Amino acid sequence: KNEVEQSPQNLTAQEGEFITINCSYSVGISALHWLQQHPGGGIVSLFMLSSGKKKHGRLIATINIQEKHSSLHITASHPRDSAVYICAVKISNFGNEKLTFGTGTRLTIIP
Amino acid sequence: KAGVTQTPRYLIKTRGQQVTLSCSPISGHRSVSWYQQTPGQGLQFLFEYFSETQRNKGNFPGRFSGRQFSNSRSEMNVSTLELGDSALYLCASSRREDSRWTFGSGTRLTVV
Repeated sequence: KNEVEQSPQNLTAQEGEFITINCSYSVGISALHWLQQHPGGGIVSLFMLSSGKKKHGRLIATINIQEKHSSLHITASHPRDSAVYICAVKISNFGNEKLTFGTGTRLTIIP
Repeated sequence: KAGVTQTPRYLIKTRGQQVTLSCSPISGHRSVSWYQQTPGQGLQFLFEYFSETQRNKGNFPGRFSGRQFSNSRSEMNVSTLELGDSALYLCASSRREDSRWTFGSGTRLTVV
């Protein structure tokens, strides 16, 4: 079992829909990142979370440390939100912090 | 404000050779991390440097090494290249170890 699981793997929605992407992890973490990767390959860091909730524009990220789960929400989705969304967790192991990535959620927003 | 600059953008090397990739972080950013992305394995963490010291390391063999200079620029070296090292190599910089990253556009390495 992977240390980081994302769901769904693929998501297609109509423009304007509310989108939720989930990330679950199996070990204790020090931080969780949400990343966005567009078809050209460029990666943008959206959020870094260690607790609670963060909001930036139409994007909201939440994390529940006890349940080892984070969600990324997109309100009023737009075709330009089409991208792969990746969560990454920072895991401490004997003083070495290692980043482990989910396999990504491919989001397609249809006009 | 200039972003994270990675050079070169594309590189073709022969199996057995070595390669050095460069990453110039955003001015004022002292943390630089490196990642490998392949279609099969996705994104994988290589290492992270802060103030010229390697702070964290992923699960890659010793052929993969890096360093960070006093101006925060970082280099990554892969020796004895294998076909499986063909990948997009990304670096990211952040102001501190616990802040958001800014990614470069990557270096696409092809090993033939």
